[in-house]
Amino acid sequence: AQSVAQPEDQVNVAEGNPLTVKCTYSVSGNPYLFWYVQYPNRGLQFLLKYITGDNLVKGSYGFEAEFNKSQTSFHLKKPSALVSDSALYFCAVRVFNTGFQKLVFGTGTRLLVSP
Amino acid sequence: KAGVTQTPRYLIKTRGQQVTLSCSPISGHRSVSWYQQTPGQGLQFLFEYFSETQRNKGNFPGRFSGRQFSNSRSEMNVSTLELGDSALYLCASSFDSNQPQHFGDGTRLSIL
Repeated sequence: AQSVAQPEDQVNVAEGNPLTVKCTYSVSGNPYLFWYVQYPNRGLQFLLKYITGDNLVKGSYGFEAEFNKSQTSFHLKKPSALVSDSALYFCAVRVFNTGFQKLVFGTGTRLLVSP
Repeated sequence: KAGVTQTPRYLIKTRGQQVTLSCSPISGHRSVSWYQQTPGQGLQFLFEYFSETQRNKGNFPGRFSGRQFSNSRSEMNVSTLELGDSALYLCASSFDSNQPQHFGDGTRLSIL
């Protein structure tokens, strides 16, 4: 079964420091990977995606993610965290099968950036 | 361009009732998917519609159903509501399978 794992329930980082939110995946075939962010009482906002090409993917709000095939990882990174980055982050893999698609999400990681 | 719009934002129902949730996708998007989000189960796929056809359904009972109209707007219906149906229901649309899904702000359904 295709899945993603987010091993950390919460990540704490001080403002201005680099942040990393971890994600590992298990898929058959080539993975289509995504990061989304969710703020309180809101839906999910798309941050970035990896389908093919460069292993380093740049996304919205200064976020980037590194695709590592040998380690089956797709960690989300940002060089300098902001307090406003505090939110719930979801890694997801797109599953395809005979014409349909769905996203399989990780359990989410809460990022808390302290001033 | 307007985003995905879900109505209503909040809904309170009692056990045994039924409910219909609405989703208007981004203009031009033909794929609409529904997800249920709960603290215990996380985000779970309900079903996807494309050009008025249900392409796939997740592992939910038959009480959960949906449909899509010719203008790509979609509705989700839950009958005989149970306490466990309390959740945030999210709708997402995309142009095609290679593009990311864009989510609405959801409908928070509370069952008393």
